[in-house]
Amino acid sequence: RKEVEQDPGPFNVPEGATVAFNCTYSNSASQSFFWYRQDCRKEPKLLMSVYSSGNEDGRFTAQLNRASQYISLLIRDSKLSDSATYLCVVNRRANDYKLSFGAGTTVTVRA
Amino acid sequence: SQTIHQWPATLVQPVGSPLSLECTVEGTSNPNLYWYRQAAGRGLQLLFYSVGIGQISSEVPQNLSASRPQDRQFILSSKKLLLSDSGFYLCAWSKTGGTSYEQYFGPGTRLTVT
Repeated sequence: RKEVEQDPGPFNVPEGATVAFNCTYSNSASQSFFWYRQDCRKEPKLLMSVYSSGNEDGRFTAQLNRASQYISLLIRDSKLSDSATYLCVVNRRANDYKLSFGAGTTVTVRA
Repeated sequence: SQTIHQWPATLVQPVGSPLSLECTVEGTSNPNLYWYRQAAGRGLQLLFYSVGIGQISSEVPQNLSASRPQDRQFILSSKKLLLSDSGFYLCAWSKTGGTSYEQYFGPGTRLTVT
């Protein structure tokens, strides 16, 4: 079983729409969770950390469900510039600085 | 602020040739350093990580090696490239200590082995 699994998509949405997707992780000992954004042929960039209580950063909302071991990302009022691949990332175990990366969910926002 | 540099940006090398990719970090001391490879349509695969000068841990046995000759310099090498070494190579850094595990990536090197 992969450490982090994501629906590869693509999610094709019109501008202004809301899009949401999840990822699941296999190690219940993981304690740090992140969403990264990766544009085509570029490096991944940290989008947001995910906290137990859930957190919001502008149009982006992340949720963590430890019981079911999944993380979600919701994008409201999608912009063309949101088109990218979103990587779900968790640390391998408690207090471990090594991270496991999902293969990514591709989102395409169309005009 | 911290910045991370990688070079070259792209590289085309024949099978059997040597490889040297360099990564440097500015604006921080004693970072953890990482080398990843990303194959097309795949997730990032951790190749090596380092918690200090001369301290290298390998994640995946292969014909690559890494070295950390200075605190903020990380080098990925190979004596003889294979076709399967093609990919997008990314260097990353993270802070040491504390409970913050975010990693920050350099711009990457796209390697094509022909």
